[in-house]
Amino acid sequence: EPEVTQTPSHQVTQMGQEVILRCVPISNHLYFYWYRQILGQKVEFLVSFYNNEISEKSEIFDDQFSVERPDGSNFTLKIRSTKLEDSAMYFCASRPGTGVSYEQYFGPGTRLTVT
Amino acid sequence: RKEVEQDPGPFNVPEGATVAFNCTYSNSASQSFFWYRQDCRKEPKLLMSVYSSGNEDGRFTAQLNRASQYISLLIRDSKLSDSATYLCVVNKALETGTASKLTFGTGTRLQVTL
Repeated sequence: EPEVTQTPSHQVTQMGQEVILRCVPISNHLYFYWYRQILGQKVEFLVSFYNNEISEKSEIFDDQFSVERPDGSNFTLKIRSTKLEDSAMYFCASRPGTGVSYEQYFGPGTRLTVT
Repeated sequence: RKEVEQDPGPFNVPEGATVAFNCTYSNSASQSFFWYRQDCRKEPKLLMSVYSSGNEDGRFTAQLNRASQYISLLIRDSKLSDSATYLCVVNKALETGTASKLTFGTGTRLQVTL
């Protein structure tokens, strides 16, 4: 069964450093998402991406964040200058472009720890 | 008012029990509804979509009441392996064909014991 994959599983970085989180969505999916979950809190939407551009972004997704689909398979989230409060699990998700289902499938996540 | 509201629990039930979770959502324009399951420090996994007519998948039954903006999940004959956090999730599509985001509740924790 196809799966969303994410690397690395755990990233430790110092405050102010840049990080890039990588995702490989399910191959025939057309819509891509990043969510984050701070420990003990709910899953929060960050950004959605379709047709090579951002479709929607949340208030959390400020100028420090950017997304890219550099080739036909990878989907990346870059945090330019990390802050302590960026420590969280970051989940990538994707969904098909056909049909009316809005079901999204999540990757295993990257645990980001900012020290 | 929270966009998606759930009782955080925990619900502690013995194996074999029937347990019900409820959820309310505030945005009447919400179009799609889901229950996801999340194990500790893992990703949300889709359990089932929720349809207006109600739907069943094995031991799991989901109901939707659009008028009351209320969603429920019933688990029958609960197993130890059902222990997890159950996330109520809604979606409001912007327009047909747009990316549309999911809005999550905080989740209800279930612990099934021997």
